Amino acid sequence: AQSVSQHNHHVILSEAASLELGCNYSYGGTVNLFWYVQYPGQHLQLLLKYFSGDPLVKGIKGFEAEFIKSKFSFNLRKPSVQWSDTAEYFCAVSLSGGYQKVTFGTGTKLQVIP
Amino acid sequence: DAGVIQSPRHEVTEMGQEVTLRCKPISGHDYLFWYRQTMMRGLELLIYFNNNVPIDDSGMPEDRFSAKMPNASFSTLKIQPSEPRDSAVYFCASSSTSGGSYEQYFGPGTRLTVT
Repeated sequence: AQSVSQHNHHVILSEAASLELGCNYSYGGTVNLFWYVQYPGQHLQLLLKYFSGDPLVKGIKGFEAEFIKSKFSFNLRKPSVQWSDTAEYFCAVSLSGGYQKVTFGTGTKLQVIP
Repeated sequence: DAGVIQSPRHEVTEMGQEVTLRCKPISGHDYLFWYRQTMMRGLELLIYFNNNVPIDDSGMPEDRFSAKMPNASFSTLKIQPSEPRDSAVYFCASSSTSGGSYEQYFGPGTRLTVT
């Protein structure tokens, strides 16, 4: 069965620290990859996505993610976090080719301390 | 566009009562998803529709849960009878296959509390 693993459930960082959140997936075919963010009390919003091409994807608010096919990974990074990045981050995967069902990871709560 | 609209935003009900959650997807989107979010289980896909037809309901917990999509602009998720363990935030999301985006747009959620 397809699955998505996020290694860290809760991460605490000081402002200006660098961020890397891990995401590994288990899928048998070509995939589409996503990172969503959920700010406190709000709904999920798309941060960035990868379908094909350059494996280094730039998203909103200075976030980026790198798809490493050999490692089945799609880690999220940001060089310098801000207090406003405090949120829960979800990695998600779907099969490519028009298949719409997306499987979400369990999420990583990021707390940024001013 | 107003985005995905869900109602009510909060629902408090007693065990055994029927609960109906409502969703209006973004106009023109042909996929609609219902998710449940809890602290223990994270974000779970319950069911999704394509062009108003249920495609995969394998995530629906049990027969007490049912979902309908009578037309392209409206869907309901019903729980009858409700139980305390159904307490969660229920999200509706929609997406479109046109343009190959596959991005899901989420509604604000309905926070359900069953006492």
